Amino acid sequence: GAVVSQHPSRVICKSGTSVKIECRSLDFQATTMFWYRQFPKQSLMLMATSNEGSKATYEQGVEKDKFLINHASLTLSTLTVTSAHPEDSSFYICSAQLGGNTGELFFGEGSRLTVL
Amino acid sequence: AQSVTQLGSHVSVSEGALVLLRCNYSSSVPPYLFWYVQYPNQGLQLLLKYTSAATLVKGINGFEAEFKKSETSFHLTKPSAHMSDAAEYFCAVYTSGTYKYIFGTGTRLKV
Repeated sequence: GAVVSQHPSRVICKSGTSVKIECRSLDFQATTMFWYRQFPKQSLMLMATSNEGSKATYEQGVEKDKFLINHASLTLSTLTVTSAHPEDSSFYICSAQLGGNTGELFFGEGSRLTVL
Repeated sequence: AQSVTQLGSHVSVSEGALVLLRCNYSSSVPPYLFWYVQYPNQGLQLLLKYTSAATLVKGINGFEAEFKKSETSFHLTKPSAHMSDAAEYFCAVYTSGTYKYIFGTGTRLKV
């Protein structure tokens, strides 16, 4: 099956710093990637849809200046949490859709961000 | 609008017992339905999917689900639970018109 790799798996940073999370589709081209945030023991919350070569589409309530998404190539999307604060601590998961309207989602391993 | 409801945030079964995880959906157009499993500190892995072909869908690890349009349900079952099945399970609905996946709140299975 298709493989999506996410890096880093864990990151700890100080308040005020920025953190970049990478999401790569290893064996297929993904024109669309999705970024989710998951709070402890809760479901996935869609943050934004990342489209290669264009601006990301953010869900209502998600600060686009806080969560910068770049999808510069067909195999890489990045999420940068800018000026991170403790409330940004969470599990962030990316996924890529494998072509077609019924394409299933392939998920990265997730990145746990802890802001001190 | 689409929605997914998973009944029971926690389900506990004995090893060897039947597993039944419930999922009901709402969609104004024919949906595509998925079940994903998540192990601690990991991403989601697809168990099975319904894409308007056979209503009884077989997935990995012995799981299967039946699409019942009249009941708007897509319950996940496994005849005999194994310790390794303990995880969080998410039902999701997708319609091509919205290009969005909507996830249920998840059911934590304890074996």
